[in-house]
Amino acid sequence: AQRVTQPEKLLSVFKGAPVELKCNYSYSGSPELFWYVQYSRQRLQLLLRHISRESIKGFTADLNKGETSFHLKKPFAQEEDSAMYYCALGAGGGNKLTFGTGTQLKVEL
Amino acid sequence: GAVVSQHPSWVICKSGTSVKIECRSLDFQATTMFWYRQFPKQSLMLMATSNEGSKATYEQGVEKDKFLINHASLTLSTLTVTSAHPEDSSFYICSARRGGVSTDTQYFGPGTRLTVL
Repeated sequence: AQRVTQPEKLLSVFKGAPVELKCNYSYSGSPELFWYVQYSRQRLQLLLRHISRESIKGFTADLNKGETSFHLKKPFAQEEDSAMYYCALGAGGGNKLTFGTGTQLKVEL
Repeated sequence: GAVVSQHPSWVICKSGTSVKIECRSLDFQATTMFWYRQFPKQSLMLMATSNEGSKATYEQGVEKDKFLINHASLTLSTLTVTSAHPEDSSFYICSARRGGVSTDTQYFGPGTRLTVL
């Protein structure tokens, strides 16, 4: 069975400070990892996925199979980054997603 | 592109009644749609996977007769909560994946808030 763990429910940082949202997963197969973001009163939307290896809105995430982690990072937090972030694991032929419990990021001025 | 809508956005019903929630892919064909449930301050829990023209695949612990899913066309899936009870009150979210793109991501709808009195 697959599992996604996001240990922090809330992460508060100051504007301009580095951000790291932690995500660990458990899966016996070859995982596909995603980060989704939900801004206030908006729907869930894809932020990035590990196979794309791209940076979106200054965020990056590297899949570390040895540590089974997929932490989300940004060097300088912006106020508009305040949102709920979910890490998700895609598995199975239909790419079913298993979500973590989410981390609320609050960027303070 | 890749917009998913849900209707209604919120609904209040009496205990014992049935409620239908629609999920539509507006600008693409979705061979696969997913239904999630989200409790307050909790994560999304996958309820079922819906493939166009076939029966839905339910996750363990989800009652098939309680949560009826129909995916009759490539742009529409419906979730019917039958004989709703207060414990069914929740936020229901659907997502859709484009047909023919096995590696595509899921596009999420805005969700439907169900309150059962």
